[in-house]
Amino acid sequence: KAGVTQTPRYLIKTRGQQVTLSCSPISGHRSVSWYQQTPGQGLQFLFEYFSETQRNKGNFPGRFSGRQFSNSRSEMNVSTLELGDSALYLCASSLGGYTDEKLFFGSGTQLSVL
Amino acid sequence: QKEVEQDPGPLSVPEGAIVSLNCTYSNSAFQYFMWYRQYSRKGPELLMYTYSSGNKEDGRFTAQVDKSSKYISLFIRDSQPSDSATYLCAMKAGGYNKLIFGAGTRLAVHP
Repeated sequence: KAGVTQTPRYLIKTRGQQVTLSCSPISGHRSVSWYQQTPGQGLQFLFEYFSETQRNKGNFPGRFSGRQFSNSRSEMNVSTLELGDSALYLCASSLGGYTDEKLFFGSGTQLSVL
Repeated sequence: QKEVEQDPGPLSVPEGAIVSLNCTYSNSAFQYFMWYRQYSRKGPELLMYTYSSGNKEDGRFTAQVDKSSKYISLFIRDSQPSDSATYLCAMKAGGYNKLIFGAGTRLAVHP
């Protein structure tokens, strides 16, 4: 069974640009979550989507947004990029239940903002 | 103060040693506790998943949760150089997938 797939693997952008990251969950998984990982702040939760609806959100500015498609694939968008947005962006998928859920991560997209 | 505290290390041990990794937390609502392993330039890989207090064993790995002390541990027996990675504890209160992670402990197992 294929794991969580994230594309692209690496991205270089300049300040002010916007970027879109893509995530394909494990087959049969309906929940997709996004996390940001930086050396200073560690892993932080961005948001979670289930059945094309955002059902949970972390403490990030509105420049960070996402969406989920009917096939459970998800995209994350960051507008007006800042230097501090340089990070590893990780996508994780799960079956989509409420409590007892195991979360499986992709390898991430490494974003560098210059 | 962070909700989850984890010593970032680094921790260096000889091959074959028993490794003990720990996290403390402040939110008594946490019910689900996880340990992830992350190799350089890779995503976190789920190692252990525990609900509430107690012990769980899987091969060379043992996870312990003590909710009364708000303390969780991961033990690695007969450590191998391939265990060299960053180990992240994570937990959630329940409901959906908002995990709170520790900072991660870098482990190096030398031959």
